[in-house]
Amino acid sequence: DTEVTQTPKHLVMGMTNKKSLKCEQHMGHRAMYWYKQKAKKPPELMFVYSYEKLSINESVPSRFSPECPNSSLLNLHLHALQPEDSALYLCASSHRLVGANTEAFFGQGTRLTVV
Amino acid sequence: QKEVEQDPGPLSVPEGAIVSLNCTYSNSAFQYFMWYRQYSRKGPELLMYTYSSGNKEDGRFTAQVDKSSKYISLFIRDSQPSDSATYLCAMSSADRGSTLGRLYFGRGTQLTVWP
Repeated sequence: DTEVTQTPKHLVMGMTNKKSLKCEQHMGHRAMYWYKQKAKKPPELMFVYSYEKLSINESVPSRFSPECPNSSLLNLHLHALQPEDSALYLCASSHRLVGANTEAFFGQGTRLTVV
Repeated sequence: QKEVEQDPGPLSVPEGAIVSLNCTYSNSAFQYFMWYRQYSRKGPELLMYTYSSGNKEDGRFTAQVDKSSKYISLFIRDSQPSDSATYLCAMSSADRGSTLGRLYFGRGTQLTVWP
């Protein structure tokens, strides 16, 4: 099983709303990632967790707040987003951090629209 | 110069053709290579993972790595309309510095296989 499950699949939120994206994997992976992808562009790294600790924050605005409650779960809390934040948000996981001889598996993404 | 170069296409081939997709890279520390297939509005699906020069085959797919030329390829034999998607190459560095945890993507090549 190489499944990374993301919920919800679609989300429409207003600029004053607070919402959360959820990601789950049961492969025993200890590294988890959030990416943002705009149309016809490759995924852009946002955050990386390794053993439930934040390892990389790619200078993401504070209106995006990640959380890793345990080794299987990754959340992305959203608050006061802008229309330009509309994108496909992807979660990924790997046995250990990529670069240490491991491949990464992606979820199907949450398509976020900010209105 | 981007670290990973990939021709975005679009590439259009008839059913049954052999497709060749390529990426070049500049960082000699890149040691691990992935090919992903991404259907429209879906998450990237891992097709192939390689970490050594040479060929790796999986069904109709063959991944080829030439580290001396910093060049990787994905070949698709007997292409099918269901192969129509965007193909992303990605790589990671064995250098344990700031690159650990980061995947470096190509722009993606859009492929259409027509019946």
